[in-house]
Amino acid sequence: AQKVTQAQTEISVVEKEDVTLDCVYETRDTTYYLFWYKQPPSGELVFLIRRNSFDEQNEISGRYSWNFQKSTSSFNFTITASQVVDSAVYFCALSGDSGAGSYQLTFGKGTKLSVIP
Amino acid sequence: GAVVSQHPSWVICKSGTSVKIECRSLDFQATTMFWYRQFPKQSLMLMATSNEGSKATYEQGVEKDKFLINHASLTLSTLTVTSAHPEDSSFYICSARDPGLAGGRFVTQYFGPGTRLLVL
Repeated sequence: AQKVTQAQTEISVVEKEDVTLDCVYETRDTTYYLFWYKQPPSGELVFLIRRNSFDEQNEISGRYSWNFQKSTSSFNFTITASQVVDSAVYFCALSGDSGAGSYQLTFGKGTKLSVIP
Repeated sequence: GAVVSQHPSWVICKSGTSVKIECRSLDFQATTMFWYRQFPKQSLMLMATSNEGSKATYEQGVEKDKFLINHASLTLSTLTVTSAHPEDSSFYICSARDPGLAGGRFVTQYFGPGTRLLVL
């Protein structure tokens, strides 16, 4: 069975501070995929990043960066110089082919980030 | 690319009526779509996997006669909540993935904007 744990339920930071959202996962699949999605108050889930299990290279996209470490089964997300527009619920998710070919997503419970001006 | 639309965005109905929600992939063909339900301040709960041209696969505990799913074309899946009751009030979200993408990108699910259902 797959499991995604986001231990931080809510985080509040002051604008321009850096913030890291933690994600720990469990899976028995040898090939799997990790995701981060952003859900602003409007409700739509916005895809941020996908990381394949065989690619541990960290990635940076503007103010966003992701740290994937297979040794600790973690896929953490850092926002540098946070802005009010970053306020949202962030979900970490895991997908693997359990043989059915559907590649279902297993979501964490989400971390609500509030950036205070 | 990878845009998914959902209609309607809001629906209010009386108890006992049926409500149909449409999910469309606008710029790609999706052999597989997913339907989720989300309660306030909670994570997404997968209801069913919708496969084009075949029956949907429902998750445990989801009533297939209550939540009818039809994936009649490669760009459209519908969810019908039959005989809706107040406890069916929720935020329903669909997603789709593009099987034509290479290098693991075919796994990525793109989400619609969601439908808020309120049953009175």
